[in-house]
Amino acid sequence: DTGVSQDPRHKITKRGQNVTFRCDPISEHNRLYWYRQTLGQGPEFLTYFQNEAQLEKSRLLSDRFSAERPKGSFSTLEIQRTEQGDSAMYLCASSAGTPPGELFFGEGSRLTVL
Amino acid sequence: RKEVEQDPGPFNVPEGATVAFNCTYSNSASQSFFWYRQDCRKEPKLLMSVYSSGNEDGRFTAQLNRASQYISLLIRDSKLSDSATYLCVVNGPGTYKYIFGTGTRLKVLA
Repeated sequence: DTGVSQDPRHKITKRGQNVTFRCDPISEHNRLYWYRQTLGQGPEFLTYFQNEAQLEKSRLLSDRFSAERPKGSFSTLEIQRTEQGDSAMYLCASSAGTPPGELFFGEGSRLTVL
Repeated sequence: RKEVEQDPGPFNVPEGATVAFNCTYSNSASQSFFWYRQDCRKEPKLLMSVYSSGNEDGRFTAQLNRASQYISLLIRDSKLSDSATYLCVVNGPGTYKYIFGTGTRLKVLA
């Protein structure tokens, strides 16, 4: 399978714990995105990378969130000191090309904070 | 004002009906526009890109009105399998960031 893969698919954690999600994009895609989605809402932009450079980060994202893409391939999204409001589906997507084309999404990582 | 706004619905329509969704965007310099489809508990997938001249793909027609800053999606001859959430997506100028609307839920009834 050469699509976008995310791990873990489900994560249940206690408030105050740190969690990390991994995303492996489609191999030839140079751009990688993280979104957060809650029930009844569209995906909310968190951040995106072009190769290893983090080019944009949502102002809504608190300092507890950090993302990396160290070698321009896979990416990690870490949430420190989780809060119940962090419970959501975290979606990763990748794309390539100019002008902006299709975003290919992974199946998401569902986070539940108790 | 949200960057991309959609009527959340739900739209409940009978099979065979024609249904239209609108979406407005706030940044007049936005460059690229898309409709995505999201099935329940699944990831979004591209339905179609929206071109300035309008475009059609089978039963689906997308239109862009830059002057009024809105995008529309028309679905003709609705099928049960069209039941999903339709997300309007806009790409801003000078960036590869994609902004999603809240989505419009469609339920096609037998």
